[in-house]
Amino acid sequence: GENVEQHPSTLSVQEGDSAVIKCTYSDSASNYFPWYKQELGKRPQLIIDIRSNVGEKKDQRIAVTLNKTAKHFSLHITETQPEDSAVYFCAASTENNDMRFGAGTRLTVKP
Amino acid sequence: SAVISQKPSRDICQRGTSLTIQCQVDSQVTMMFWYRQQPGQSLTLIATANQGSEATYESGFVIDKFPISRPNLTFSTLTVSNMSPEDSSIYLCSVHSSGRDTEAFFGQGTRLTVV
Repeated sequence: GENVEQHPSTLSVQEGDSAVIKCTYSDSASNYFPWYKQELGKRPQLIIDIRSNVGEKKDQRIAVTLNKTAKHFSLHITETQPEDSAVYFCAASTENNDMRFGAGTRLTVKP
Repeated sequence: SAVISQKPSRDICQRGTSLTIQCQVDSQVTMMFWYRQQPGQSLTLIATANQGSEATYESGFVIDKFPISRPNLTFSTLTVSNMSPEDSSIYLCSVHSSGRDTEAFFGQGTRLTVV
């Protein structure tokens, strides 16, 4: 089955700096790669996603890149703000809705 | 999008007892997913619940411990049976959007503490 690895497990940046979180996956059948943000005590919520036929996608300060050959994808947050502090999960999913999550990255943005 | 109502939001239970968690979705969905999230950890899939058939359990999870019901296309329950302190965790239900991009939507979670 699919195995998703995520690094780093914790990340601390200064407000205004960029943050990068990286994930790798094992199943070449995976074709959908979402990123979820989970604030303390709340449910995970989708922030951005990318499909396997696209190499990069951007939404304001957030971007995701995908290297399908190498089976890795990354989340980039620019101009970080304290409200970006949360746990971020990557995931990989196949056509049959088999979605697997990474271990999560706790991002802290220091004001 | 999908709106999921999950209850209870939290509970404190005695070991050896059982707790049933309910999830109600505002639209009909084929599959519902149950996850466990231990403190500071990732989301671990327990099982996938299809309406009209038995749930499919992931490795390490068994029906006797986590029986699931799926009586219709908008509702599911997960029971945590014969609880021990190791079952203390957050349990979340989830559905995926229909169509090409299978965005996952989550219930608000049930924080279970077993004493």
